Amino acid sequence: AQKITQTQPGMFVQEKEAVTLDCTYDTSDPSYGLFWYKQPSSGEMIFLIYQGSYDQQNATEGRYSLNFQKARKSANLVISASQLGDSAMYFCAMILGLSGTYKYIFGTGTRLKVLA
Amino acid sequence: EPEVTQTPSHQVTQMGQEVILRCVPISNHLYFYWYRQILGQKVEFLVSFYNNEISEKSEIFDDQFSVERPDGSNFTLKIRSTKLEDSAMYFCASSVNLAKNIQYFGAGTRLSVL
Repeated sequence: AQKITQTQPGMFVQEKEAVTLDCTYDTSDPSYGLFWYKQPSSGEMIFLIYQGSYDQQNATEGRYSLNFQKARKSANLVISASQLGDSAMYFCAMILGLSGTYKYIFGTGTRLKVLA
Repeated sequence: EPEVTQTPSHQVTQMGQEVILRCVPISNHLYFYWYRQILGQKVEFLVSFYNNEISEKSEIFDDQFSVERPDGSNFTLKIRSTKLEDSAMYFCASSVNLAKNIQYFGAGTRLSVL
């Protein structure tokens, strides 16, 4: 069954430190995409970063990087130099490529709190 | 920067009433989606829409739900007879293609059914 697991319901990090948010996925489809979204307290979902299953390199977008370990089926988000504005809910999501589906499968999220 | 806009931001309705949630996707996007998030829970897929028809729907998207693209810009979700359990945040999203299928989300409409 296709599934996204985020095992950390909540995380704390000190401002300016790096933090890793865990995400593991389960699929037998060889073609898939992995995404991270940020949901601040205002509620909107903000796209952060994308990793394709065939991408050789780990994705990076500014302070965000995705630690993609295909054999372990993990796609952890690393936020470097945390800022107070990074405090939010973070969702990992997956889309399957070959099965003709368009939908995202979301994890349950990790609430990150950045401490001053 | 182009964005997905949703109106209203908060909708309160009585059980059994019909509601229409409205979305304006990003203008050059071709694929449209609705998701919902019950308070404190994960985001769940409802339906995807392409070329003026539903391409996929989840088991949540039963006969009380419908979607429509009435003109070139709006994309609506109608709930015919709301139930208490329909109370949730409803997100509209759009994507330009399926190559990466990065979906851009609106700010959501919070639906409260009383």
